Amino acid sequence: DARVTQTPRDKVTEMGQEVTMRCQPILGHNTVFWYRQTMMQGLELLAYFRNRAPLDDSGMPKDRFSAEMPDATLATLKIQPSEPRDSAVYFCASGSDIAYEQYFGPGTRLTVT
Amino acid sequence: AQKVTQAQTEISVVEKEDVTLDCVYETRDTTYYLFWYKQPPSGELVFLIRRNSFDEQNEISGRYSWNFQKSTSSFNFTITASQVVDSAVYFCALSDWGAQKLVFGQGTRLTINP
Repeated sequence: DARVTQTPRDKVTEMGQEVTMRCQPILGHNTVFWYRQTMMQGLELLAYFRNRAPLDDSGMPKDRFSAEMPDATLATLKIQPSEPRDSAVYFCASGSDIAYEQYFGPGTRLTVT
Repeated sequence: AQKVTQAQTEISVVEKEDVTLDCVYETRDTTYYLFWYKQPPSGELVFLIRRNSFDEQNEISGRYSWNFQKSTSSFNFTITASQVVDSAVYFCALSDWGAQKLVFGQGTRLTINP
């Protein structure tokens, strides 16, 4: 049963600290997406990759967020420095050019105090 | 710009009732995909269905059915004989043909009472 995995599942940190979230997409999937879910904004796209190349990161605050795919099995989302307004659930999803539907990981619940 | 509207914020029904969740979308694209996802209390997002804009056939999967009407830009989801396990937040989403970026509605919180 192939699944997207995300670590950590929960993260509590203080304002100003660096946060790194990791995602392992489903093997064979060539697209990876990062979404953020908050009560106010709902689910919004932050960034996405196809074949490890970043295609769109227009949803991310550029000064503090960065997303990378060091290899096909790992995607990372970093926040430096973190702020209380970054508190949210961050989802990673993967998909393919053939199937088009995206499969989501369990999410990382981030709390910045 | 693409937009998805789920006008029903919350729905509460008694078990075994039928319930329909509404979804209206806006897009300038002639080809696109529509999706439904379920988010149970545990928090994960579970893929339910994908439809492409070429295919307006209704789809049924067990107690779930979907009605896609291009003329009214709607993609509604019906649960027949609802069960307590159907309680969740349901999201409708839209993506264009190429980029696959999902635009989500605000979600409908469905509560099935025993």
